[in-house]
Amino acid sequence: AQKVTQAQTEISVVEKEDVTLDCVYETRDTTYYLFWYKQPPSGELVFLIRRNSFDEQNEISGRYSWNFQKSTSSFNFTITASQVVDSAVYFCALRKRTGANNLFFGTGTRLTVIP
Amino acid sequence: DGGITQSPKYLFRKEGQNVTLSCEQNLNHDAMYWYRQDPGQGLRLIYYSQIVNDFQKGDIAEGYSVSREKKESFPLTVTSAQKNPTAFYLCASSIPGAGGLGNEQFFGPGTRLTVL
Repeated sequence: AQKVTQAQTEISVVEKEDVTLDCVYETRDTTYYLFWYKQPPSGELVFLIRRNSFDEQNEISGRYSWNFQKSTSSFNFTITASQVVDSAVYFCALRKRTGANNLFFGTGTRLTVIP
Repeated sequence: DGGITQSPKYLFRKEGQNVTLSCEQNLNHDAMYWYRQDPGQGLRLIYYSQIVNDFQKGDIAEGYSVSREKKESFPLTVTSAQKNPTAFYLCASSIPGAGGLGNEQFFGPGTRLTVL
């Protein structure tokens, strides 16, 4: 079975602080894909990143960075120097290699950046 | 502009009525999906379609039906059999994962359904 856990339900930070959103996953597949999506108040999910299970290289994109560690089944997301526009719900998701191509989502972390 | 449109944005339904949510995409994607989102929860898959004229049940298909007559369109009908239909519904599309490729899904703006 596939499972994604985002233990942090809500996080509040003051603008310019760094913040890390945790994601822990479970899967029996040896090949799988991990995603992060952002859901702003408008409701639409915005794709942020995809990571293949065989590629553990961390990634940085501007103020965003992702730390993928297979040994701990974690795929954490860090926002550096947070801004008010970062306020949103962030979802981590897992997609297995076989079967249906749907995403298994965590319950999301609501990030509030206080000006 | 390429993208996914869902209509209407807000929908109200009386108990016992069927209602159809629209989803259209012009991304030329073969695969389309319907998810349901409840407060404080992640998205759960209702139905998906990998190709025209074919669709499969997801984790919570009971009380829902879909059709896929055209590549661009994947409407979702919420039937009176769905016991708790009030939720936020999101449609998505992707290039199908041939061989399991982890192609990202692109989402529409969603439809918020409220049963009165």
